[in-house]
Amino acid sequence: KQEVTQIPAALSVPEGENLVLNCSFTDSAIYNLQWFRQDPGKGLTSLLLIQSSQREQTSGRLNASLDKSSGRSTLYIAASQPGDSATYLCAVRYAGGTSYGKLTFGQGTILTVHP
Amino acid sequence: DAGVIQSPRHEVTEMGQEVTLRCKPISGHNSLFWYRQTMMRGLELLIYFNNNVPIDDSGMPEDRFSAKMPNASFSTLKIQPSEPRDSAVYFCASSLGTSGSGSGANVLTFGAGSRLTVL
Repeated sequence: KQEVTQIPAALSVPEGENLVLNCSFTDSAIYNLQWFRQDPGKGLTSLLLIQSSQREQTSGRLNASLDKSSGRSTLYIAASQPGDSATYLCAVRYAGGTSYGKLTFGQGTILTVHP
Repeated sequence: DAGVIQSPRHEVTEMGQEVTLRCKPISGHNSLFWYRQTMMRGLELLIYFNNNVPIDDSGMPEDRFSAKMPNASFSTLKIQPSEPRDSAVYFCASSLGTSGSGSGANVLTFGAGSRLTVL
C-alpha cells in the first residue's frame, strides 16, 4: 500500500531555532513530492514541490530535500518565527496505475514556535 | 486569478438532506481533485478529474456520494442522503497537468474548503 508518514506529529520550539520535519513514503516510484502549510480553519498552501529528478528545492527560509532511494524527504526551516506556527503536510504523487495524478498525504506535523 | 473558489464555506444540515458542494478551479488548470479532511483520517482523496473526465473515484466512500464536472470551470460534489459521519471539511484543488515533469506543473492549489456539519 502506498503510504506517507510524517514525524514528529507535533513539535514545539522557541523562536529562532532551526528545525527539520520528516516525511517518509513507501514506494520510490514517484512523480513528485509537495510540502504544504495549513493554518487552523484554512485551506492548504503549497510551499515547495520537488520533482522526482530533483534533490532539493529552496524558498526563502525553507529548504526541502528528496531522497527517493530511501523514501524520505525533509523540510528544513531556518530561524523559525512565531508566524511559522501551522500544520505542515507532505504529499506524494505516486507513479503508475490508478494512482497516476493523485496525491497521497501524510497526517501532518503540528508546529508551534514560541516567541 | 482568484484561486480555487468553493461554496458554501459552511453548511449545517440535518441527516437525510441532500448536500451540494461547488468548486470553480483556476482558469487553465485541467485537473481537479476533491478531498475530505477529518481529524481521525486526515486528508483523503475522494475523486479526481482530468480534462473534465473522472479518472479515479476509488476514494468515494459509497453510493451516496457523486461528483460531476460538466465543464472546465465547474465541479460539484453531492451527498444524498447525508449522514452525521459525513461531517468534515471538503476541499477542492486544481492543477495544471498530471504528468511528472514540467517546471511549475503539478503544483496543487487548494480552495478554502467547505465545512459540512450533518446533525
